[in-house]
Amino acid sequence: DAGITQSPRHKVTETGTPVTLRCHQTENHRYMYWYRQDPGHGLRLIHYSYGVKDTDKGEVSDGYSVSRSKTEDFLLTLESATSSQTSVYFCAIGDGNQPQHFGDGTRLSIL
Amino acid sequence: KNQVEQSPQSLIILEGKNCTLQCNYTVSPFSNLRWYKQDTGRGPVSLTIMTFSENTKSNGRYTATLDADTKQSSLHITASQLSDSASYICVVSSSGGYNKLIFGAGTRLAVHP
Repeated sequence: DAGITQSPRHKVTETGTPVTLRCHQTENHRYMYWYRQDPGHGLRLIHYSYGVKDTDKGEVSDGYSVSRSKTEDFLLTLESATSSQTSVYFCAIGDGNQPQHFGDGTRLSIL
Repeated sequence: KNQVEQSPQSLIILEGKNCTLQCNYTVSPFSNLRWYKQDTGRGPVSLTIMTFSENTKSNGRYTATLDADTKQSSLHITASQLSDSASYICVVSSSGGYNKLIFGAGTRLAVHP
């Protein structure tokens, strides 16, 4: 395995509550990414980071924020969860301009 | 619009048989194309990566082809095994940006004994 851990692996929460997902890597990769995967769709980029405190938006960033205070951790926050954010969330890491390794995902259900 | 379309959506084959999965893309400018395998409940794992100048790449029983002129790729699986049951995802990278990956929706393959 590539040394990337996502937590929690599963979460059920209610609409309107804040949710934070964590991605932890032990590979010292510069780039970290958050994607969501929905049935019938390819993975879509939410946010990415190219260094500590350096982040940028992806194609589906509305309703999400991220933070990277350490090289090894990349947090994804849903400030006020909505049912449309029910999805499987994947973190990925890499050193170049593309993700090289993916985590095993967090399955998030918002009721 | 940049798009990656995969076919079929799903496929069932018997163990030991071969199969071919298709990927058509309209991404421009093109940088490279990857095939990933995604087991149920796991993240995608890269199988092959091909640049514009490569038209074939193998990884064990997996062989990917690329025709950059027609913007088509295929993934051929030889002598399938039960462990090949997974989703196979085609991903095309556009030049110049680390956020410019376009993912296909995947083909779900089931290998039956």
